[in-house]
Amino acid sequence: GAVVSQHPSWVICKSGTSVKIECRSLDFQATTMFWYRQFPKQSLMLMATSNEGSKATYEQGVEKDKFLINHASLTLSTLTVTSAHPEDSSFYICSARGGHNEQFFGPGTRLTVL
Amino acid sequence: RKEVEQDPGPFNVPEGATVAFNCTYSNSASQSFFWYRQDCRKEPKLLMSVYSSGNEDGRFTAQLNRASQYISLLIRDSKLSDSATYLCVVGYNFNKFYFGSGTKLNVKP
Repeated sequence: GAVVSQHPSWVICKSGTSVKIECRSLDFQATTMFWYRQFPKQSLMLMATSNEGSKATYEQGVEKDKFLINHASLTLSTLTVTSAHPEDSSFYICSARGGHNEQFFGPGTRLTVL
Repeated sequence: RKEVEQDPGPFNVPEGATVAFNCTYSNSASQSFFWYRQDCRKEPKLLMSVYSSGNEDGRFTAQLNRASQYISLLIRDSKLSDSATYLCVVGYNFNKFYFGSGTKLNVKP
């Protein structure tokens, strides 16, 4: 099946710093990637839809200036959490859309903000 | 009302049992349907897409009922390794997907 990687797999940072997470589709091209956040024992929550070559579409309640998304190529999308605070601590997961509209998920990035 | 609803469970079943989950969706214009499994602290993995005619993959059978707006997943001969949370995903407008909150399955020896 299609493989999606994420880097880093976990990160611990101080409050106020910015963290960049990369999402790569390794064996296919993805014009659309998605960014999700998942808190413990809760469902995945879509944050934004990332389209190659254009601006991301953010879900209601997600601050676009806080969560910067760049999808500069067909295999790479990045999410930057700017000025991270403890409440941003979460499991961030990306996915890339396949040819039959299915999504292939990356392994996730566990962010802890101290 | 949530776009996609699932019984959170947990469903506790013995090995070898048959278990079924349902998932209801509210948008009649939904176009694509999937079942994923998610293990604790891991990413979701695609289990199977759900087609109008229904589809089967080994011990797993998925069905779609558009009239009643639900999809189902049937697992036969449950294995211990089937223990996980099963997520129902419904898509429409090509780029819009909604996830259910998941149904937890515990298969016990």
